[in-house]
Amino acid sequence: DGGITQSPKYLFRKEGQNVTLSCEQNLNHDAMYWYRQDPGQGLRLIYYSQIVNDFQKGDIAEGYSVSREKKESFPLTVTSAQKNPTAFYLCASSIEKTPRGAFFGQGTRLTVV
Amino acid sequence: GEDVEQSLFLSVREGDSSVINCTYTDSSSTYLYWYKQEPGAGLQLLTYIFSNMDMKQDQRLTVLLNKKDKHLSLRIADTQTGDSAIYFCADDMRFGAGTRLTVKP
Repeated sequence: DGGITQSPKYLFRKEGQNVTLSCEQNLNHDAMYWYRQDPGQGLRLIYYSQIVNDFQKGDIAEGYSVSREKKESFPLTVTSAQKNPTAFYLCASSIEKTPRGAFFGQGTRLTVV
Repeated sequence: GEDVEQSLFLSVREGDSSVINCTYTDSSSTYLYWYKQEPGAGLQLLTYIFSNMDMKQDQRLTVLLNKKDKHLSLRIADTQTGDSAIYFCADDMRFGAGTRLTVKP
């Protein structure tokens, strides 16, 4: 089955620790994205990558980092510099500019205590 | 950055039509999309419209696009309780805040 997988589904971390969220896709999509979802604010773009070994900052990249060493994988690290990291994080992939839109993972809910 | 905006809440009775509205600023998008999100899950593509089209119908769903006003709408005919969810409009990369549709029996 082709799809996009995020893990873990729930993640708890202590304040001040870095944490890495996993996102893997086997859809052979070139483009991958990370979004943060907060109540009433919809999805905000953190980082995106249109090709391996290249990525761009989105609207709220501060306090986050990414890598794109393989086409299938686009991990997101939430660093201690992110002031309010507790949120629902969604990863997506797409073939750009097609009617198929983006395929989304099931999300990771990160809680920092 | 470019913005996509939509109202946050809509409540309708079962069997009525629902209309969810959206405005966007980036006119370079090739397609505009509507996604549906169930509680605690990711988003699923519901339908899309090519930016050169005015209207697209897909079973109970009708998408209207006013390119001059940069206004997009999604109409759901004969709304059912199973349609209760959050609906997002999106361009190539950015999403609106989502409209929470509540369908009352």
